[in-house]
Amino acid sequence: KNQVEQSPQSLIILEGKNCTLQCNYTVSPFSNLRWYKQDTGRGPVSLTIMTFSENTKSNGRYTATLDADTKQSSLHITASQLSDSASYICVVSVGNDYKLSFGAGTTVTVRA
Amino acid sequence: DSGVTQTPKHLITATGQRVTLRCSPRSGDLSVYWYQQSLDQGLQFLIQYYNGEERAKGNILERFSAQQFPDLHSELNLSSLELGDSALYFCASSVQGLNYGYTFGSGTRLTVV
Repeated sequence: KNQVEQSPQSLIILEGKNCTLQCNYTVSPFSNLRWYKQDTGRGPVSLTIMTFSENTKSNGRYTATLDADTKQSSLHITASQLSDSASYICVVSVGNDYKLSFGAGTTVTVRA
Repeated sequence: DSGVTQTPKHLITATGQRVTLRCSPRSGDLSVYWYQQSLDQGLQFLIQYYNGEERAKGNILERFSAQQFPDLHSELNLSSLELGDSALYFCASSVQGLNYGYTFGSGTRLTVV
């Protein structure tokens, strides 16, 4: 069964600090892995997308890493801002790209 | 604006009723996907259409149906509504077969009372 597990379920950090979110997957065959940011009540917005051959990808203060051997990915948020408060969802694409496996998300709360 | 347009943004209806949610994909995108997100839950894939044809089905109830029209917009029909159908319904679009350009709309919030 294709599964995507994210940890932690939620975390609280102080403004200006860094944090790292984890994503482990058992999806096969792997196509690509995406990280999305979802503000409460809004649609998910893509942050990064990585294929099998990519190890890291950055989007501003967001840096995603991928280890296809261990089937792990992380999303690092640098110098967090209040606007980073959101749910971060790891999504793994299976095979032909129209089947996506979604993680349950990590809820990040940034406090002043 | 993501380019994926969903209407209406909010919908309140009574149990047993039927509603239609509409999605217009980004210009050039042939695939439309529908997702359901219940309170504090992850996104659940419902169904995908590609260029007017059903391509993949997820956890979609028999009371729900969808279609994609020649102009590529899609409608999700929810009938015999139950309280548990209250959720955010998202539409996403992509160019089939590519690893990029998978974009979500802002969603329709359905409340069944």
